[in-house]
Amino acid sequence: KQEVTQIPAALSVPEGENLVLNCSFTDSAIYNLQWFRQDPGKGLTSLLLIQSSQREQTSGRLNASLDKSSGRSTLYIAASQPGDSATYLCAVIDGNKLVFGAGTILRVKS
Amino acid sequence: GAVVSQHPSRVICKSGTSVKIECRSLDFQATTMFWYRQFPKQSLMLMATSNEGSKATYEQGVEKDKFLINHASLTLSTLTVTSAHPEDSSFYICSARGTVLRGISGYTFGSGTRLTVV
Repeated sequence: KQEVTQIPAALSVPEGENLVLNCSFTDSAIYNLQWFRQDPGKGLTSLLLIQSSQREQTSGRLNASLDKSSGRSTLYIAASQPGDSATYLCAVIDGNKLVFGAGTILRVKS
Repeated sequence: GAVVSQHPSRVICKSGTSVKIECRSLDFQATTMFWYRQFPKQSLMLMATSNEGSKATYEQGVEKDKFLINHASLTLSTLTVTSAHPEDSSFYICSARGTVLRGISGYTFGSGTRLTVV
């Protein structure tokens, strides 16, 4: 059974810092991996989708990497801003389903 | 990009009544839709997977007679919480996986429905 773990559970940083969110999964036979952002009381916004054959994807200040052999993905956020404050969820696409981690609650202080 | 519209965003109902939540894919055909439940400060729990024109597949522990799912078209899936009780109060989110977009099949989520049963 696929299990996804995210570390840290919560993170508070001053504005401008670069930061890394970690995601690990137990079964490396994944299809794709997707990072999402969730604001309080809202749905999920897709940030980056990495196919299993790719090693990284970039969008603006966000960079996500994937190392299937070690079962790890990282989301790098450059020059963090208060507007980046949200919960970040990592999800592995396992067959036809998404398996989510518990998320990292990020707070960027101004 | 792909958009999934979910309504209502909030609903308060009396115990014993039924509530219907709609999930629509606006600019793509959603062959498969997913319904999740999320408790405060927790991640999403998959409740069921619905495929257009066929019965939904429910996850273990989810009562299919309580959470009725209908996926009558390629753009609409509905979740009906029947005979709602206070313990059904939660945040419900739908997701759709459409046909291949730019060669990549990703997931798009609705904005969620906050259900409160009083």
